[in-house]
Amino acid sequence: AQKVTQAQTEISVVEKEDVTLDCVYETRDTTYYLFWYKQPPSGELVFLIRRNSFDEQNEISGRYSWNFQKSTSSFNFTITASQVVDSAVYFCALSEAFGNEKLTFGTGTRLTIIP
Amino acid sequence: GAVVSQHPSRVICKSGTSVKIECRSLDFQATTMFWYRQFPKQSLMLMATSNEGSKATYEQGVEKDKFLINHASLTLSTLTVTSAHPEDSSFYICSARRGGAVNEQFFGPGTRLTVL
Repeated sequence: AQKVTQAQTEISVVEKEDVTLDCVYETRDTTYYLFWYKQPPSGELVFLIRRNSFDEQNEISGRYSWNFQKSTSSFNFTITASQVVDSAVYFCALSEAFGNEKLTFGTGTRLTIIP
Repeated sequence: GAVVSQHPSRVICKSGTSVKIECRSLDFQATTMFWYRQFPKQSLMLMATSNEGSKATYEQGVEKDKFLINHASLTLSTLTVTSAHPEDSSFYICSARRGGAVNEQFFGPGTRLTVL
């Protein structure tokens, strides 16, 4: 069975601070995908990143970066120089690489950026 | 590209009525569509997986007779909440998987259902 744990329920930081959102996963699959999604107050999920389990390279996209550590089953997400528009709920998710590929979501972290 | 729409975006109905929610992939063919439910301040829980032309696969604990899923074409899946009750009030989100080797799922904007 697959499981995703986001231990941080809510985080508040002051604008321009850096913030890291933690994600720990469990799976018996050797090949899988990891995802991060942003859900602003409107409710629509915004795709941020997909990572194949074979690719352990960290990734940076503008102010966003992701740290994939297979040894600790973690896929953490860092926002640098946070902005008010970053306020949202962020979900980490896991899927099988083959088969029906359904997504298992973590419980989400509500991030509030204080101006 | 890769846009998924849902209709309606918001619906309010009386207890006992049935509500149909449509999920459409607008610019691609979706081999598989997924239906999720999200209660306030909670995570997305997968309800069922549907493949075009075949019966949906429901997750444990989801009543298939209550949540009817029809995947009539490669661009349309519908979820019908039958005899809705207040406890069915939730945010329903669909996603569509585009064919190909990589698991690419695109999410609809969601439908907020309120049952009075």
